[in-house]
Amino acid sequence: ETGVTQSPTHLIKTRGQQVTLRCSSQSGHNTVSWYQQALGQGPQFIFQYYREEENGRGNFPPRFSGLQFPNYSSELNVNALELDDSALYLCASSFGIRFREYNYGYTFGSGTRLTVV
Amino acid sequence: AQSVTQPDIHITVSEGASLELRCNYSYGATPYLFWYVQSPGQGLQLLLKYFSGDTLVQGIKGFEAEFKRSQSSFNLRKPSVHWSDAAEYFCAVALKGYNTDKLIFGTGTRLQVFP
Repeated sequence: ETGVTQSPTHLIKTRGQQVTLRCSSQSGHNTVSWYQQALGQGPQFIFQYYREEENGRGNFPPRFSGLQFPNYSSELNVNALELDDSALYLCASSFGIRFREYNYGYTFGSGTRLTVV
Repeated sequence: AQSVTQPDIHITVSEGASLELRCNYSYGATPYLFWYVQSPGQGLQLLLKYFSGDTLVQGIKGFEAEFKRSQSSFNLRKPSVHWSDAAEYFCAVALKGYNTDKLIFGTGTRLQVFP
């Protein structure tokens, strides 16, 4: 069983640019969640995708957007990058059934380190 | 609003010593509770979780945690620390429900282990 793979591992972008981060979910998982972890902080929930639909969003502006594909892989897109967007972006996959209580069986990837200069 | 507090930013212990990492939460009801570990350059690995039942939870790598409702705490313990335990530890809570299984994390405790 493969784990969660994120690409790229490191990225440097200039303020105002756009970036796309990618996540391949673990085999058998249908849900992907994205978290932002700023330096010295705990991860913060950005949003979650369940079977290609957004299924909850944290307190992040609309310039943070995402997609989930039929194979349950996912992308996180950030437009108009700001210096404060510099962080480790973590993807976590899990298996969920809508309207059933979750078991929080997350598998996290190793993250993408984004630096905005 | 829900929140998680990890009062200790940095803890240093000697190898073989016991360890306790503190976690307090603020929530309207008893949430689901988790401890994760993050090694440098790695993602988060689940150590243990508490949903209900026995308040003393056993996890991987010899860790355990105790849920104390009266104190809104979920402290992580290990009787004898190994050098490989040096890492960042995060306590997290989740809302019981049927919507989004998002986790709310504390700010973490960095554990340093001296030989």
